[in-house]
Amino acid sequence: GAVVSQHPSWVICKSGTSVKIECRSLDFQATTMFWYRQFPKQSLMLMATSNEGSKATYEQGVEKDKFLINHASLTLSTLTVTSAHPEDSSFYICSARFTGTGVYEQYFGPGTRLTVT
Amino acid sequence: AQKVTQAQTEISVVEKEDVTLDCVYETRDTTYYLFWYKQPPSGELVFLIRRNSFDEQNEISGRYSWNFQKSTSSFNFTITASQVVDSAVYFCALREAGTSGSRLTFGEGTQLTVNP
Repeated sequence: GAVVSQHPSWVICKSGTSVKIECRSLDFQATTMFWYRQFPKQSLMLMATSNEGSKATYEQGVEKDKFLINHASLTLSTLTVTSAHPEDSSFYICSARFTGTGVYEQYFGPGTRLTVT
Repeated sequence: AQKVTQAQTEISVVEKEDVTLDCVYETRDTTYYLFWYKQPPSGELVFLIRRNSFDEQNEISGRYSWNFQKSTSSFNFTITASQVVDSAVYFCALREAGTSGSRLTFGEGTQLTVNP
């Protein structure tokens, strides 16, 4: 149980275009999802926290108008990279928070590799 | 503020050697959780262990063992008789219980290479 999927697993796009990445919790409901970015040979950096039905909370230094997050349902959050540039090329990982009785675990998706040419 | 430090950027060992990955953390909370994740070349994070701040018992799972010491704010990870398949980046992470939304703070990671 507690599986999180991401789609696509990799994407190549041209500079100036927008790309949407989906994050789904397959077998549980997630009121909270997180989006991370990981550059090569670096750690995961939290970009934003996404709560179902409300606006996402962005970390300092993350442009909310560039990285649009929508968490419209309890099983789906999307990250849209608008007007992508080569410096946005990165590995984007989402995670979903499972809330059970006394349990607050975070489950990670397999990641999406974005290359902007 | 919470912080996780993994001082070892890269470690290289020969198969069957034991290897310890260090993790030191900082937090002001008295209740917190510590994690280790493995990230193989495919990129997907693999959960290895979670420890809460009230449980200082060391844990062993097969070839993996963890040493949690609150006195030194460390949560080290040992792989016994390493294998080539253990090659990956390993991340230590911290979550404070008082932080809303289960926010995780990751260390910089340690690249482990196990050579045949």
